[in-house]
Amino acid sequence: AQSVTQLDSQVPVFEEAPVELRCNYSSSVSVYLFWYVQYPNQGLQLLLKYLSGSTLVKGINGFEAEFNKSQTSFHLRKPSVHISDTAEYFCAVSSNFGNEKLTFGTGTRLTIIP
Amino acid sequence: DSGVTQTPKHLITATGQRVTLRCSPRSGDLSVYWYQQSLDQGLQFLIQYYNGEERAKGNILERFSAQQFPDLHSELNLSSLELGDSALYFCASSPPQGRVGYTFGSGTRLTVV
Repeated sequence: AQSVTQLDSQVPVFEEAPVELRCNYSSSVSVYLFWYVQYPNQGLQLLLKYLSGSTLVKGINGFEAEFNKSQTSFHLRKPSVHISDTAEYFCAVSSNFGNEKLTFGTGTRLTIIP
Repeated sequence: DSGVTQTPKHLITATGQRVTLRCSPRSGDLSVYWYQQSLDQGLQFLIQYYNGEERAKGNILERFSAQQFPDLHSELNLSSLELGDSALYFCASSPPQGRVGYTFGSGTRLTVV
């Protein structure tokens, strides 16, 4: 069975400051990892995904994440946040078959302070 | 437009009633997943269908059922509705095994009054 832990339920950050949203996973098999963003009253949008290869993954809107197998982590980072980054961020994991359900973390609410 | 279509976008109904939520997957995708998002439970996996067959079950209540039709669209049926069933219901689709990707629809917001 797989599980995802998002260590922070809420993260307030000043505008133009860097941010890191933490995600740890557990799985007995190889995994695929994802970050999704949900803006207020909207659906889930894929930010980035790790399937294989380079452990540093770049996504949309200036976000990137680093896969660390030894620490079973997939933290999301952005060097300088904008007001428009205010949203809920979800980390998710899927099995190595890639055709099985996504298991989501509980989400991190990112609030940008002007 | 993600390519996954969910209808209706909003639904308001009374307790005890039955509703059907519909999902059309992205072209070429064979798997459909249903998720429930509520404030207290987060994003909960309900059920997965692959090419018409049930593939996996999650935290789906017995009052809920789903199916995937030959044209690959899926329906989630919720019956004997309770106030606690009020939530956002998402559908996602993914391509055939061997390729990885999940695309979500914009969801159906169900309000039970």
